[in-house]
Amino acid sequence: GAVVSQHPSRVICKSGTSVKIECRSLDFQATTMFWYRQFPKQSLMLMATSNEGSKATYEQGVEKDKFLINHASLTLSTLTVTSAHPEDSSFYICSAREGGRGNTEAFFGQGTRLTVV
Amino acid sequence: AQSVTQPDIHITVSEGASLELRCNYSYGATPYLFWYVQSPGQGLQLLLKYFSGDTLVQGIKGFEAEFKRSQSSFNLRKPSVHWSDAAEYFCAVGAKQAGTALIFGKGTTLSVSS
Repeated sequence: GAVVSQHPSRVICKSGTSVKIECRSLDFQATTMFWYRQFPKQSLMLMATSNEGSKATYEQGVEKDKFLINHASLTLSTLTVTSAHPEDSSFYICSAREGGRGNTEAFFGQGTRLTVV
Repeated sequence: AQSVTQPDIHITVSEGASLELRCNYSYGATPYLFWYVQSPGQGLQLLLKYFSGDTLVQGIKGFEAEFKRSQSSFNLRKPSVHWSDAAEYFCAVGAKQAGTALIFGKGTTLSVSS
């Protein structure tokens, strides 16, 4: 199946700094990528839908100025957590569905464990 | 509203026993259904998916799931559980269009006892 690569897998940052997480589709083009957040022992909550060449669509309650999403190419989307605080500590997962075909499954990155200290 | 319900938060099964994880969905369009497994601190691995056709779907690691439209269910089954199956299991639903995100259930934690 297709591969989605997410980097870094783990990051620790100081409170007030910004962190960038990259999500790449390695062998297919993804016009749309998705960013999820997962708290311990909980499900994946969709944060935003990232569209190549246009603004991301954020879910209700997600601060677009805190979680900046850029989808500059058909294979790369980035999530930047700005002015991070301890409550932003979480597991972030990106996903992409291969466009241009009918029955498309979603491929997931391996996730990024963010710890803000 | 579109949603996925996994009624069982935590299930414990003896090794070698059969398993069934429940999933019910509410979706306005034709549902595409998925089961994923997640080990601690890891990403998601696709177990199986249903798009159309035969309502009994075979997946990896000996898992299968049956789509029942009348019951809005997509339950996951395995005839004989192995200790390595202990993990978190997520049911998800989505639309056909690649531009739509999957909606996940809250997950079921599977523990396997010896």
